[in-house]
Amino acid sequence: QITLKESGPTLVKPTRTLTLTCTFSGFSLSTNGVGVGWIRQPPGKALEWLALIYGDDDKRYSPFLKTRLTITKDTSKNQVVLTMTTMDPVDTGTYYCAHTHITAAAGTYYYYGMDVWGQGTTVTVSS
Amino acid sequence: SYELTQPPSVSVSPGQTASITCYGEKLGDKYASWYQQKPGQSPVLVIYQDDRRPSGIPERFSGSNSGNTATLTISGTQAMDEADYYCQAWDTNTPYVFGTGTKVTVL
Repeated sequence: QITLKESGPTLVKPTRTLTLTCTFSGFSLSTNGVGVGWIRQPPGKALEWLALIYGDDDKRYSPFLKTRLTITKDTSKNQVVLTMTTMDPVDTGTYYCAHTHITAAAGTYYYYGMDVWGQGTTVTVSS
Repeated sequence: SYELTQPPSVSVSPGQTASITCYGEKLGDKYASWYQQKPGQSPVLVIYQDDRRPSGIPERFSGSNSGNTATLTISGTQAMDEADYYCQAWDTNTPYVFGTGTKVTVL
């Protein structure tokens, strides 16, 4: 059974750096094609994908936030860490991590969606 | 950057069919996924690879994707299907972008 859980500060001051940790179980992030992503949702608004890291350490970032984000993994701890710099009140919202995987066959890639999500952690940016 | 547009809201009577569209340039060339999110809960994957259902998702949920539009169809809609629905597009060059979201109301 795959599970993920987000953790981090609930309150962050403007201009500071946010560090969130996703602790997971039920899969290995050293397996090619397996990935963990971060998604956020401002109150009452849509989902926004932030970043994703694969087992081979391939990293992808939202082009809108690329300069502010860093995603890393610690395979021994089954954790994925997301840092976001220069926090602003508009960054307030719920932050989720999710499991995904892709496979490849004969040059074609297959994406299986973000099939398991964590419960989310709420982050408020305020002085 | 790539964008996906959904209607803000869709209303449906119980037992009827709800169709939710997702528009993106050449979306049919990418994989479409759909997520259901109920108030206060995390999203749940209901469709991946355009038309495949994860285990545990009822058969009344189906998907299609062609041209510039992906569609999520809920047949025989039930009150429990009332939720926000988000599409997502994926290919190796357009990873993970989500749509604007659609609120489905079962009247």
